[in-house]
Amino acid sequence: AQSVTQPDIHITVSEGASLELRCNYSYGATPYLFWYVQSPGQGLQLLLKYFSGDTLVQGIKGFEAEFKRSQSSFNLRKPSVHWSDAAEYFCAVGTRFSGGYNKLIFGAGTRLAVHP
Amino acid sequence: GAVVSQHPSWVICKSGTSVKIECRSLDFQATTMFWYRQFPKQSLMLMATSNEGSKATYEQGVEKDKFLINHASLTLSTLTVTSAHPEDSSFYICSAGTSGGRETQYFGPGTRLLVL
Repeated sequence: AQSVTQPDIHITVSEGASLELRCNYSYGATPYLFWYVQSPGQGLQLLLKYFSGDTLVQGIKGFEAEFKRSQSSFNLRKPSVHWSDAAEYFCAVGTRFSGGYNKLIFGAGTRLAVHP
Repeated sequence: GAVVSQHPSWVICKSGTSVKIECRSLDFQATTMFWYRQFPKQSLMLMATSNEGSKATYEQGVEKDKFLINHASLTLSTLTVTSAHPEDSSFYICSAGTSGGRETQYFGPGTRLLVL
């Protein structure tokens, strides 16, 4: 069965430090992978996505993620964290359905706190 | 582009009443819309998938008669929580996607429902 694991429930970093959020997936075929960010009481904003091609994907707000098939991972990185990056981050895998749409399976999320 | 709105953003109702939540794609036509439920500090759980003009597909464990979904047009889907009870209190989020297989889901800001 398809699944997404985000091993870190809560991460705290200092402003200006680098960040890596881990994501591992289980899926039989080539996955469609996504990272979303959710601020408190808000919906989800797409940070970046991977469908195929270059395994290093650039997203918004200075985020990037690298797809590593051998490790079934899609970790999110940012070289220098800003206080405004404090939020909940969700990794998701899209499973292709015959109906022509992607059904997203989400990880449990990683809550990021940023110290000044 | 790719903006999804939800209305209302929050609602308080008495137990036994019905509540309707609207989800609109503002600048694109959404072949498929999705409804999620999110409990505090938890991930999103897909409730149902709806395609314009056809019946919604519900996830296992989601009561069809409890959560009525209508996808009347390519830009509007509604979720009606019928005979709401306190355990239905939650954060409901919709998303909209286009067709074509590699579509991305764009999320609305969410609706917080409190049933007294």
